[in-house]
Amino acid sequence: DAGVTQTPRHEVAEKGQTIILKCEPVSGHNDLFWYRQTKIQGLELLSYFRSKSLMEDGGAFKDRFKAEMLNSSFSTLKIQPTEPKDSAVYLCASSLGSWGDNYAEQFFGPGTRLTVL
Amino acid sequence: GDSVTQTEGLVTLTEGLPVMLNCTYQTIYSNPFLFWYVQHLNESPRLLLKSFTDNKRTEHQGFHATLHKSSSSFHLQKSSAQLSDSALYYCALSNMGYKLTFGTGTSLLVDP
Repeated sequence: DAGVTQTPRHEVAEKGQTIILKCEPVSGHNDLFWYRQTKIQGLELLSYFRSKSLMEDGGAFKDRFKAEMLNSSFSTLKIQPTEPKDSAVYLCASSLGSWGDNYAEQFFGPGTRLTVL
Repeated sequence: GDSVTQTEGLVTLTEGLPVMLNCTYQTIYSNPFLFWYVQHLNESPRLLLKSFTDNKRTEHQGFHATLHKSSSSFHLQKSSAQLSDSALYYCALSNMGYKLTFGTGTSLLVDP
């Protein structure tokens, strides 16, 4: 089975640019999460979708970060405009989203390392 | 809201010594689910173990943890550290929803 896939793996952007990161969750998973990971802050939740509906949109990230789930198998995270402080690893994760042995277990993609100059 | 505290940012120890990484949590709900995720260098986080049963030891890949609701703790332990255990460890909490609240993470560095 394919795991979570993310593209691109690396992205370099100039300050002020718009970038779009992509994620494909595990097939059959209902929940999708976007995180930002830095050494100082650790994992920060950016967005959470359940069956394509936006359930949570991280407050501090609302102004320049927009996640969308176009269908059950594809999501994008747009950062517009980018700033140097956005340099981080962006992780996408998916979860079955149902009660059972795998309750709340999240499967992470390989991440996109973003550098903003 | 929910919160998870991992007090140590970095733990360094010698191979063969026991490992204990601390995790405490705060929640108003009485039946939380607790998780430990491990992230090796240049990899993404993956589930190490999980529990929702009070005072029951959970084990996986040589690591173990016991959820203690009385002290709101879920410490990760291993009897003998290996070099390959060097990684970043996250404790996380879920409460009858499917979102996880993560701690800030503890880096474990095992020296030969």
